[in-house]
Amino acid sequence: DAEITQSPRHKITETGRQVTLACHQTWNHNNMFWYRQDLGHGLRLIHYSYGVQDTNKGEVSDGYSVSRSNTEDLPLTLESAASSQTSVYFCASSENPIYEQYFGPGTRLTVT
Amino acid sequence: AQKVTQAQTEISVVEKEDVTLDCVYETRDTTYYLFWYKQPPSGELVFLIRRNSFDEQNEISGRYSWNFQKSTSSFNFTITASQVVDSAVYFCALDTTGTASKLTFGTGTRLQVTL
Repeated sequence: DAEITQSPRHKITETGRQVTLACHQTWNHNNMFWYRQDLGHGLRLIHYSYGVQDTNKGEVSDGYSVSRSNTEDLPLTLESAASSQTSVYFCASSENPIYEQYFGPGTRLTVT
Repeated sequence: AQKVTQAQTEISVVEKEDVTLDCVYETRDTTYYLFWYKQPPSGELVFLIRRNSFDEQNEISGRYSWNFQKSTSSFNFTITASQVVDSAVYFCALDTTGTASKLTFGTGTRLQVTL
């Protein structure tokens, strides 16, 4: 069965360190998205990609970057982790941008 | 600017009760898409429904139904005869671009269904 996975599921890191969160989907979807979920804010879009070599900034992109070298993966990098980036991060993919998105299980990141 | 408001932060009901989750949206666009997602305690988000702005027909899927009213900018979600497995956080979302580049989520409503 097709799926979308995220790793690690939990991560604790220190302020200033670079962190990369992995997202891998086997749906063969061109469209992939990264969100963060914080209490009181719902989900907010960080970055998104409509295909290989395509990346775009979302609502809360400062301090984050992504790269898309193949269809299956969209890793999210925190260049220099800050305590404000403590959150739960969700990756999602979709066949078409206006269709439903399939979400991964999430990564809980704590920056100390 | 677009906005989604889910004013009910948390709702508690007893099993078999009906419950309605409210969603009010704001947008100046005439074409837009509305979504509902469910986030059970396990954490992943699960798609429930998508509705475009040109389709105001209400929809029923088993115990779930959705009432879309453009006149009041609302897209409410009703669960009939609630069950413990319905306990989750429910999110309403709005996309005005058709590209998901500005998909706006509400803050969610936590539904607790008890025996």
